[in-house]
Parts: sequence; C-alpha cells; structure tokens
Amino acid sequence: DTGVSQDPRHKITKRGQNVTFRCDPISEHNRLYWYRQTLGQGPEFLTYFQNEAQLEKSRLLSDRFSAERPKGSFSTLEIQRTEQGDSAMYLCASSAPEDTQYFGPGTRLTVL
Amino acid sequence: QKEVEQNSGPLSVPEGAIASLNCTYSDRGSQSFFWYRQYSGKSPELIMSIYSNGDKEDGRFTAQLNKASQYVSLLIRDSQPSDSATYLCAVDTGRRALTFGSGTRLQVQP
Repeated sequence: DTGVSQDPRHKITKRGQNVTFRCDPISEHNRLYWYRQTLGQGPEFLTYFQNEAQLEKSRLLSDRFSAERPKGSFSTLEIQRTEQGDSAMYLCASSAPEDTQYFGPGTRLTVL
Repeated sequence: QKEVEQNSGPLSVPEGAIASLNCTYSDRGSQSFFWYRQYSGKSPELIMSIYSNGDKEDGRFTAQLNKASQYVSLLIRDSQPSDSATYLCAVDTGRRALTFGSGTRLQVQP
C-alpha cells in the first residue's frame, strides 16, 4: 500500500500527558498537512509543510502543539499536557505541488 | 458566516434515485473545489475535484461549479446503499490548506 500512513491509529491518554503521532506521506509528495476533526464537523487545518519547512500554522495550533518534518519525509505532531478538548481525529494528508490532497487513515485521540 | 456551508442532513433518497448535495462558499478568490466521502470512523476519501465553471462527470458522479453564485454541487446517479456516508465539500482559497464544510450525511434506503 503506497498511500498515506499514520501511527498509531488509536491513542488513549490521561489528561496532562504528552502524545506524539507520526505520518508517512506518499513518497513523491513534498507537501504534508495536518488537520483535526471532531464529531459532526469537517476537518480543520492545523499546519502545512513543504519539504521540511513548516510554512503555515493555524490559530488552532496552540503552543502545546508542535509539528516537525525532519528531512522532508515523515512528520510528527506532538501535543503536550493534553486536555480533554484535544480529543479528536488527527488527520494527515499529502500532495504533490498544486495537486489534490490525499488523506491517511487518521489517529483517534481520546483524552480521559 | 462559515466559509464553506453545507446542509448537515440527513438527506434520505431511495436506492436508484439521484442524490443532490450542495455547498456554498464565501471566498470569491477560491480556486479549487473538492468533494470527499467519509464513512463513519474513517478518513475522507476524494470523490471529485473541479476547477472551472460547469459540469464534470466521473462515472455515477457529477460535480457542478458556479463561481458567480459561489456554489458547488455533487450529483450521485443510481444511488446505492454503499453511497451512504457523509459528503464533505472542500475549498482551496489559495492558502494551500483546504477549508471544509461540516458535511452532509446521505442515507440511501434499499
């Protein structure tokens, strides 16, 4: 399968803990996006990378959130000091320049 | 006003009928438009993209775009129970990130 992959698929954590998610984009795609989706809503943009450069961050991305894409390949999204409001599906998408975004299966986070 | 608006539904149609899903957007500078299908608990899956005014057909799906009216629609012909899902309208306003509507839930009754 050469699609976008995400790990883990599910994460349950206690409030206050740190969590890290990984995304592996389609290999020839230089653009990588993170979105967050809560029940009954469409995905909301969090951040965007072109190669290793983080070019845009949403106001949704508080200082507890950090994302990296070392070497322009896989990306990680870390949430520090998780809160119950962070419970959501975290989606990663990738695209070639000026092309369609393809989504990974998502990581479902539950904060207890 | 939300940037991308969709009726949340559910839209219920009988098997074999045409399902019509609608979306309006607020940013006149929007350049690209997408329809994604999302099954419960799964991630969005691309159905159609459309970039210029008019109709674009792909199998049972037709996307329609009217930039003057800031309106995008998706028609699903010969609807099947397997088409039952949430359909997300997404707009690229040139900021690279997509702006999504909240989705319309479609139910196809056997």
